[in-house]
Amino acid sequence: EVQLVESGGGLVKPGGSLRLSCAASGFSFSDYSVNWVRQAPGKGLEWVSCISGSGTYIYYADSVRGRFTISRDNTNHSVFLQLNSLRVEDTAVYFCARERATGDIDYWGQGTLVTVSS
Amino acid sequence: SYELTQPSSVSVSPGQTARITCSGDVLAKRYARWFQQKSGQAPLLLIYKDTERPSGIPERFSASTSGTTVTLTISGAQVEDEADYYCYSAADNSNYVFGPGTKLTVL
Repeated sequence: EVQLVESGGGLVKPGGSLRLSCAASGFSFSDYSVNWVRQAPGKGLEWVSCISGSGTYIYYADSVRGRFTISRDNTNHSVFLQLNSLRVEDTAVYFCARERATGDIDYWGQGTLVTVSS
Repeated sequence: SYELTQPSSVSVSPGQTARITCSGDVLAKRYARWFQQKSGQAPLLLIYKDTERPSGIPERFSASTSGTTVTLTISGAQVEDEADYYCYSAADNSNYVFGPGTKLTVL
């Protein structure tokens, strides 16, 4: 069974940092890209970042480029999202999601809440 | 442009057909996908590659495409189909975009 479990969310002050983790199981991890997608309270989905299976290709949304860093550890089946210089508008539930080679996101975790507030 | 547009809400009675559209220039060149998100839950992939349905998704969910518009159709909508529906596409080779979401009410 495919599972994705996020952790690392919490309350942080503006300008602060957090590191989110996504632990994967139930599939050949290095064969899949992994995305981070966020959802602000009561709002829609916003794509944040993507990392290819090998880690060679990395992409960011304009809204987070230069502040967030995605990485992965294929040995331990994990993906990470380092969030720096956090802003109030970064407050959201952050989901990690598996992406097939066809570009389809097919499995999602349950999300971890990041709250940026003074 | 890399924007996708959807109606903010659609409302139908149980058993009726619900149609939700998603429009954007990128859809003329890239596949559309549809997700269903029920309150407090993670999104669920309903449609990929414009019109394909993953295994386990009920047949009442289907999709069609015409130019820069894709349409999700729920035939015989059920109360349990009440949810937010999002379209999604790769905007280019390094960027992805979600539509703003459509709230479906079945009552």
